Amino acid sequence: ETGVTQTPRHLVMGMTNKKSLKCEQHLGHNAMYWYKQSAKKPLELMFVYSLEERVENNSVPSRFSPECPNSSHLFLHLHTLQPEDSALYLCASSQGREFTQETQYFGPGTRLLVL
Amino acid sequence: AQKITQTQPGMFVQEKEAVTLDCTYDTSDQSYGLFWYKQPSSGEMIFLIYQGSYDEQNATEGRYSLNFQKARKSANLVISASQLGDSAMYFCAMRDPWGSGATNKLIFGTGTLLAVQP
Repeated sequence: ETGVTQTPRHLVMGMTNKKSLKCEQHLGHNAMYWYKQSAKKPLELMFVYSLEERVENNSVPSRFSPECPNSSHLFLHLHTLQPEDSALYLCASSQGREFTQETQYFGPGTRLLVL
Repeated sequence: AQKITQTQPGMFVQEKEAVTLDCTYDTSDQSYGLFWYKQPSSGEMIFLIYQGSYDEQNATEGRYSLNFQKARKSANLVISASQLGDSAMYFCAMRDPWGSGATNKLIFGTGTLLAVQP
């Protein structure tokens, strides 16, 4: 599947910068997700949007601000990040139906380095 | 609480041989789904295979098969005829059916790094 795209692929930012990550899915899905992948840790679910409504926020610091203007696009706005926020940020989408076979399809990720 | 355990941080396999990647899970739910994803160095998580808790047969997708042993709560991934391009991280995941609202929360293991040697 190459139906989920993410930009930029790499990002270096200072702690005082403001940047945004973009995700776009071309699969006609209704649910979109942001995950954080840090070294030697399992993937951490950050946010979930279903039909453009945020349905999950896993105690993510307010310096991460998601936005879902429509079912095809998802943004993650970043401001005043910390070095420990350096990670691979993965976007995923799924049909948004409640059944066990619901499969999430991932984008290539944005590798973020906070200096 | 649901949990996924992958006890092999890394594995080597010779090209053209089969390899089994271990995954055990913990859940009290009767209905759940198990997934395997592949993550090459490029970063993208690629969906490989799915097994439902009520599926009577082990799932297969090309060279991938899932050795599902429900009583032991294990869902091992078997890759047959390994290829150099199979070198990657492999993650086992479980769908948490009781995630809030209409979400489909996936719980991931820590992954196994597979290296295929020529």
